[in-house]
Amino acid sequence: QSALTQPPSVSGSPGQSVTISCTGTSSDVGSYNRVSWYQQPPGTAPKLMIYEVSNRPSGVPDRFSGSKSGNTASLTISGLQAEDEADYYCSSYTSSSTYVFGTGTKVTVL
Amino acid sequence: QVQLQESGPGLVKPSQTLSLTCTVSGGSISSGGYYWSWIRQHPGKGLEWIGYIYYSGSTYYNPSLKSRVTISVDTSKNQFSLKLSSVTAADTAVYYCARAQRGFDLWGRGTLVTVSS
Repeated sequence: QSALTQPPSVSGSPGQSVTISCTGTSSDVGSYNRVSWYQQPPGTAPKLMIYEVSNRPSGVPDRFSGSKSGNTASLTISGLQAEDEADYYCSSYTSSSTYVFGTGTKVTVL
Repeated sequence: QVQLQESGPGLVKPSQTLSLTCTVSGGSISSGGYYWSWIRQHPGKGLEWIGYIYYSGSTYYNPSLKSRVTISVDTSKNQFSLKLSSVTAADTAVYYCARAQRGFDLWGRGTLVTVSS
């Protein structure tokens, strides 16, 4: 299984919005609403930010939102804050009953 | 609250078997609905899903690692384990255990395993 494709980096100024794409295939992202997003600051374990495409776990700010269209899922961070600077990964369930992660995106707050 | 903690050797010799255990505290591994997972991250790289196990013993593995991976569960100890055979330097990584239901919602802190002679 191939990793889902994400842009290597995105950046924005405080208060702006940034969107990270996650492109898969009809065997993963395109067929299941089991796409999730993770935030990983340096030296820490990943943290679940979005599950099942657009749902936020308790405690995750509503600045984080998710969506999906066809084989591409997206994570949008609105009102960007300095604390949002981290690596972000998407993940999807696949038709083989396995999971696959994205290549990762570094978010920089200018 | 439920916590996960990885344990095992930090150094493994090439061709040997890497063995790690994840201890679940604050909750029962037998409570249904969760898949107990292993995920790794090579130094400076992205996340790679290794596989997961249901408390009943059903397992699913990453096809690229399937021939070398075994994940097992010990409900009496509230633990699940990873064995990766015939390791090489390419298996050097931080290994995380995680709980999966609606996404990987709970993670251990991770443990660095280095493969070197």
